[in-house]
Amino acid sequence: GAGVSQSPSNKVTEKGKDVELRCDPISGHTALYWYRQRLGQGLEFLIYFQGNSAPDKSGLPSDRFSAERTGESVSTLTIQRTQQEDSAVYLCASSEGTGHQPQHFGDGTRLSIL
Amino acid sequence: QKEVEQNSGPLSVPEGAIASLNCTYSDRGSQSFFWYRQYSGKSPELIMSIYSNGDKEDGRFTAQLNKASQYVSLLIRDSQPSDSATYLCAFPGRGYNKLIFGAGTRLAVHP
Repeated sequence: GAGVSQSPSNKVTEKGKDVELRCDPISGHTALYWYRQRLGQGLEFLIYFQGNSAPDKSGLPSDRFSAERTGESVSTLTIQRTQQEDSAVYLCASSEGTGHQPQHFGDGTRLSIL
Repeated sequence: QKEVEQNSGPLSVPEGAIASLNCTYSDRGSQSFFWYRQYSGKSPELIMSIYSNGDKEDGRFTAQLNKASQYVSLLIRDSQPSDSATYLCAFPGRGYNKLIFGAGTRLAVHP
């Protein structure tokens, strides 16, 4: 079946602009995760959604970052007033549930802030 | 102590050899472990999951788990140049709200 789909694949924007990144999880996957990976660095957890439960926002680096998900479908990650340090690849993953289920990643959105 | 420790490498092995990648973790309560492969400029790809002590084999890949020693490894037999990538080990954080990733080991398989 289709994997995790992310759009856009690349985004170049000017400092101070807002950006919105989209993630479409694997059908039937109740859990959805956002990570950030800066160049040459490891994966940094941002936020987690599980069904209709309140999201775990503990990884969001500042209040400029927010994310939404409607039910068990598409999620959007919004970054307001972008800064150059926001430049990274933003990865979305989904899993069938939580606990011991492996996560499957999309191809990511490469965000570049000029 | 980091939650997950991996040697950053690069680990260089000749084509056809066995590549051995290692990972240690700090959370004794961890029950599941995952190995991901990440090619340069690409997203992580799941290659192995392991949940119980011992070995799990899938094609040329074998994952080994030793919970008492808090150690998980990945063996790649008959290494190919196409195996050249960064290998990440990961396990669920407490609350299962995320995966905690190691920094990754870069593997280079040379012809």
